[in-house]
Amino acid sequence: GAGVSQSPRYKVAKRGQDVALRCDPISGHVSLFWYQQALGQGPEFLTYFQNEAQLDKSGLPSDRFFAERPEGSVSTLKIQRTQQEDSAVYLCASSFTGTGGTDTQYFGPGTRLTVL
Amino acid sequence: AQSVTQPDIHITVSEGASLELRCNYSYGATPYLFWYVQSPGQGLQLLLKYFSGDTLVQGIKGFEAEFKRSQSSFNLRKPSVHWSDAAEYFCAVGNTGNQFYFGTGTSLTVIP
Repeated sequence: GAGVSQSPRYKVAKRGQDVALRCDPISGHVSLFWYQQALGQGPEFLTYFQNEAQLDKSGLPSDRFFAERPEGSVSTLKIQRTQQEDSAVYLCASSFTGTGGTDTQYFGPGTRLTVL
Repeated sequence: AQSVTQPDIHITVSEGASLELRCNYSYGATPYLFWYVQSPGQGLQLLLKYFSGDTLVQGIKGFEAEFKRSQSSFNLRKPSVHWSDAAEYFCAVGNTGNQFYFGTGTSLTVIP
């Protein structure tokens, strides 16, 4: 596709379940970001990949959060033992260059996670 | 540390009126500044960005923003607002270290 896609678009999990959120960036884009957007808030940085290398994971809120991009394209954000405070929209963005912090980011539609 | 402040949580303007959304940033070096728009059910879309050079930058949909270093501001403006401009607007700052920070957003309502 032409844009960034994310799946699933909606996910409902029971507290304690593990979830996996997928991001398909624009083909050829080097940089990939994950953000968490709580209701009524701006997106908050979670982690950054340059190709397959995870260069910054300082925004991951706990060790229950794990992200990977093994082949430098598709990325998966995994949340283990979900908690209610994990309920949010998870956004993925990609950019063409390896300096994603200074480049235009193209965002996916997000995955809305609700933890019951 | 970088940060972005958007002082106005919500703004209401009449269609055809001018608009200014405020953004203040905190960053030691020259910032890379962005404005994104998020419409209901839509992903975030870049309106414009500033890296260097001319401090008045033009973006899509008739928006412009002015970088003022002395005020640490990057306010977004539009001369005449259209009903379709109703959305959430986010100011953001990035750096070469690939860190990226959004403000909390300003929600714009347009009255017919």
